[in-house]
Amino acid sequence: QKEVEQNSGPLSVPEGAIASLNCTYSDRGSQSFFWYRQYSGKSPELIMFIYSNGDKEDGRFTAQLNKASQYVSLLIRDSQPSDSATYLCAVTRGYNKLIFGAGTRLAVHP
Amino acid sequence: SAVISQKPSRDICQRGTSLTIQCQVDSQVTMMFWYRQQPGQSLTLIATANQGSEATYESGFVIDKFPISRPNLTFSTLTVSNMSPEDSSIYLCSVDAGVTGELFFGEGSRLTVL
Repeated sequence: QKEVEQNSGPLSVPEGAIASLNCTYSDRGSQSFFWYRQYSGKSPELIMFIYSNGDKEDGRFTAQLNKASQYVSLLIRDSQPSDSATYLCAVTRGYNKLIFGAGTRLAVHP
Repeated sequence: SAVISQKPSRDICQRGTSLTIQCQVDSQVTMMFWYRQQPGQSLTLIATANQGSEATYESGFVIDKFPISRPNLTFSTLTVSNMSPEDSSIYLCSVDAGVTGELFFGEGSRLTVL
């Protein structure tokens, strides 16, 4: 079992719709959870982090965490073509190592 | 956030040679991390580098193949030794923000081994 699992996609959504990205993890000891966005040929950039159960909102982005189910998700409201990228879920292992999922490719079409 | 500079940004290397990648941070950081991203794949942690001690390698990575230096709190190098085409990847240097554990990444070094 992979430590962090994501559906590779592509997830295709129309412009203006809500994109829902999901991630599961295997280590119940993981404390912090991160979503990164990576455009083709670029390095990952942090979108959001979350470490408490529930929802955390930042602009058009909402991260959701359910530690009991070992599940974290990212919702993108009012999706724009500029949101088209690969979204990487990352979880902490131990003190501060980040382990990444394989990423979900999102395509927002006009 | 930290500003992280990596050199070289890209290189084409011959099989059997070695290449050293440099990572410079604009502030002092305790831990630096080296990741590899193979074509079409996600990021895999190679090792964690602390200043003043030997790097800690992840399963599947060894010091002879990926020696790391960390001479001070703002600089680190990763060497890819005796390269083969399978080492063609993007190598990323990263540092943690020290507050909530998020990592910031350099722009990466794209290696192509022929």
